Amino acid sequence: QKEVEQDPGPLSVPEGAIVSLNCTYSNSAFQYFMWYRQYSRKGPELLMYTYSSGNKEDGRFTAQVDKSSKYISLFIRDSQPSDSATYLCAMSAPSGTYKYIFGTGTRLKVLA
Amino acid sequence: NAGVTQTPKFRILKIGQSMTLQCTQDMNHNYMYWYRQDPGMGLKLIYYSVGAGITDKGEVPNGYNVSRSTTEDFPLRLELAAPSQTSVYFCASNPGQGNTEAFFGQGTRLTVV
Repeated sequence: QKEVEQDPGPLSVPEGAIVSLNCTYSNSAFQYFMWYRQYSRKGPELLMYTYSSGNKEDGRFTAQVDKSSKYISLFIRDSQPSDSATYLCAMSAPSGTYKYIFGTGTRLKVLA
Repeated sequence: NAGVTQTPKFRILKIGQSMTLQCTQDMNHNYMYWYRQDPGMGLKLIYYSVGAGITDKGEVPNGYNVSRSTTEDFPLRLELAAPSQTSVYFCASNPGQGNTEAFFGQGTRLTVV
């Protein structure tokens, strides 16, 4: 079993739709949960970061962590064509090395 | 600040050749990482460093070597290139001290033929 599982997609939605992206994980030591956005032929950029459980909102983006279910989500409201990218979840345990385990990434396409 | 800079952006190698992928950061970050990204496979950690003079293996270190003689530079060496090393390579850095954001370079696209 992979430590982090993420549906690779692709996911196509119309402009304005609410998008839900998810990851599951198996390592209960993970405390830091991140979502990175990666445009084609570019490096990943941090989108959202959450420590332990709970929700975090930033504009049109909401990150949720449910540690009891080992499940994290990223919601995008009012999706735009500029949101078309690959979204990678990443997690790390408090080891002092800040090593991340990444999901495979979900490719999202928002249609105008 | 330029952030994390990787060179070259593209490279084609023949089987058995060697090369060094360069990575430099100007943010004075202690923590640096090398990842490879294959289609549908996410990012896999090759090597990482928690400071100058200290390196350690990640998930997929075979066929690679690194060094960290300065805080700024973290080169990745391929000694005997193999087709399985065809991938996109990303270097990243992290300031540590509770800040978990990793900053990535733009990647090096390597093809081994």
